[in-house]
Amino acid sequence: DIQMTQSPTSLPASVGDRVTITCRASQTISTYLNWYQQKPGSAPKLLISAASSLQRGVPSRFSGSGSGTDFTLTISSLQPEDFATYYCQQSYGSSYTFGPGTKLEIK
Amino acid sequence: QVQLVQSGAEVKKPGASVKVSCRASGYNYNNYVITWVRQAPGQGLEWMGWNNAYNGNTKYAQQFQGRVNMTIDTSTSTAYMELTSPRSDDTAVYFCAALSRGVFDPWGQGTLVTVSS
Repeated sequence: DIQMTQSPTSLPASVGDRVTITCRASQTISTYLNWYQQKPGSAPKLLISAASSLQRGVPSRFSGSGSGTDFTLTISSLQPEDFATYYCQQSYGSSYTFGPGTKLEIK
Repeated sequence: QVQLVQSGAEVKKPGASVKVSCRASGYNYNNYVITWVRQAPGQGLEWMGWNNAYNGNTKYAQQFQGRVNMTIDTSTSTAYMELTSPRSDDTAVYFCAALSRGVFDPWGQGTLVTVSS
């Protein structure tokens, strides 16, 4: 099975900061990588698919990049509503796995 | 607009099967794949498996094989996830989501399943 890791586990930041979250796969997955945002008490929300394709309605301050084993999610200027937990998910093949999550916290 | 609406919270004793439903509105289940993900209290997301309504194929994560059964009733656009012989560590929020090209979207609102004696 493909294992996913994320760093950091927790990220204290302030409104207006530029932040980057890293996701790494245990084997190459091309660009079969999606990003989700989850707020407490809610279902996850799809932000980015295929490593860099921004979903409709997601603000352009979110961006994704990477291929192979290393991927990043960047928020260019943090807004108050962005404080949440972010998960990467690999979709290579027919079995899927999520990263452990990165909690974006107010500094 | 596609929406997935899940059944309400459940409390079960260890060993008593639990079945969660996920009803779709806004699209035809016949052409879709439904996947299930769970989240234990304070923990991350854990993929459980998927069920293809079109051809009946299923795929379960290794840790759930033999313990979970996913089905779809296309006549009512409702997917089901049944967990047999649950243990206390199966206490979690269970989510359904539509699966297309490896992407989970949209999601149901989640169903809390509590397993306790």
